[in-house]
Amino acid sequence: AQSVSQHNHHVILSEAASLELGCNYSYGGTVNLFWYVQYPGQHLQLLLKYFSGDPLVKGIKGFEAEFIKSKFSFNLRKPSVQWSDTAEYFCAGSYSSASKIIFGSGTRLSIRP
Amino acid sequence: EAGVAQSPRYKIIEKRQSVAFWCNPISGHATLYWYQQILGQGPKLLIQFQNNGVVDDSQLPKDRFSAERLKGVDSTLKIQPAKLEDSAVYLCASSPGGTGGIGANVLTFGAGSRLTVL
Repeated sequence: AQSVSQHNHHVILSEAASLELGCNYSYGGTVNLFWYVQYPGQHLQLLLKYFSGDPLVKGIKGFEAEFIKSKFSFNLRKPSVQWSDTAEYFCAGSYSSASKIIFGSGTRLSIRP
Repeated sequence: EAGVAQSPRYKIIEKRQSVAFWCNPISGHATLYWYQQILGQGPKLLIQFQNNGVVDDSQLPKDRFSAERLKGVDSTLKIQPAKLEDSAVYLCASSPGGTGGIGANVLTFGAGSRLTVL
């Protein structure tokens, strides 16, 4: 069965630290991958997406993610976090543009000012 | 562009009662999704519509949950009778849909409807 796994449930960093949140998926073949973010009191919103082509994708607010097919991973990175990055981050995937999108369990990111 | 509208934002009911949630997607979006998000977990897909047809409802507890999307626009999700474990945020999302192309399945979420079952 298709699944998306996020193993970091809660990450605490200081401002200016580098960030990497893990995401692994179980799909074979073609895959669409996403990172969504939910800031406190706000809706879930798209951070970035991968469909095909360049495995390094850039999103909003300085975030990027790298699709590594051999590792079934799509980790989210940011070189220097800010207090405003405090949020919950969800990795998601689907095997086609018409199929269901499955979410991971989420990672809560807390930034110490 | 107006976002995805959901109502009510909050609902408290007793177990065995019924509840209905409404969602109006972004204009022109063919695909509509209902997700259930229990505290501390990621969103779980309950049902996915393409226009007014069901694409996937494999995780919808059909003995108590029902959903419809008449006319392929807005949608209603109903729970009857509710159980304690149905306490969650019910998220509606929409996407442009279609068989391909970047952005076809990029979700826009509503604010969610928080259900508490006592």
